[in-house]
Amino acid sequence: DVKVTQSSRYLVKRTGEKVFLECVQDMDHENMFWYRQDPGLGLRLIYFSYDVKMKEKGDIPEGYSVSREKKERFSLILESASTNQTSMYLCASRSRRNSMNTEAFFGQGTRLTVV
Amino acid sequence: AQTVTQSQPEMSVQEAETVTLSCTYDTSESDYYLFWYKQPPSRQMILVIRQEAYKQQNATENRFSVNFQKAAKSFSLKISDSQLGDAAMYFCAFVDSNYQLIWGAGTKLIIKP
Repeated sequence: DVKVTQSSRYLVKRTGEKVFLECVQDMDHENMFWYRQDPGLGLRLIYFSYDVKMKEKGDIPEGYSVSREKKERFSLILESASTNQTSMYLCASRSRRNSMNTEAFFGQGTRLTVV
Repeated sequence: AQTVTQSQPEMSVQEAETVTLSCTYDTSESDYYLFWYKQPPSRQMILVIRQEAYKQQNATENRFSVNFQKAAKSFSLKISDSQLGDAAMYFCAFVDSNYQLIWGAGTKLIIKP
């Protein structure tokens, strides 16, 4: 089974803290994604990566950065956490960039609360 | 811009009955894929079913089937013989020419025992 593992299920951080969310996949997928999930808004893409050291902005990159030093690991960084970044964060991986029909595999999600 | 719309924030169905979740999308492309994903209360999102736009035959996976109406840009999910384990958020998604997934807002499905 494909596994996408996020380092934490629940996190509580203080405003202004630097926050790291880690995601690891074990199926050698080229593509990895970070989404933010809020009620009524679906999944919004923050950043994605097609390869090691490559990153591209999604729809809502402001206040976030990412790192992909190894193929299996994709980290989301909140440089200075704010209360409006309280949300559910989902990591996903997907095989083969240029194929529309491939399935995305998701981690279990991280519920981040910024106080 | 391509969009996916799920007009039902919440649906409920009696156990063992059939329920249909609606999804519409907007695109000018002719070839694309559509997906339904399920997110149970444990939160791990999983694929339920997928449909290629060029295939006229509606996809089916056991109790799950779709009604794909390309001209109407509609992609509804039918769940037959609903079970308690079907309770979840259901998301409709569309893959565009940039190979990115575009998501609907989701429908919460409640199963009444």
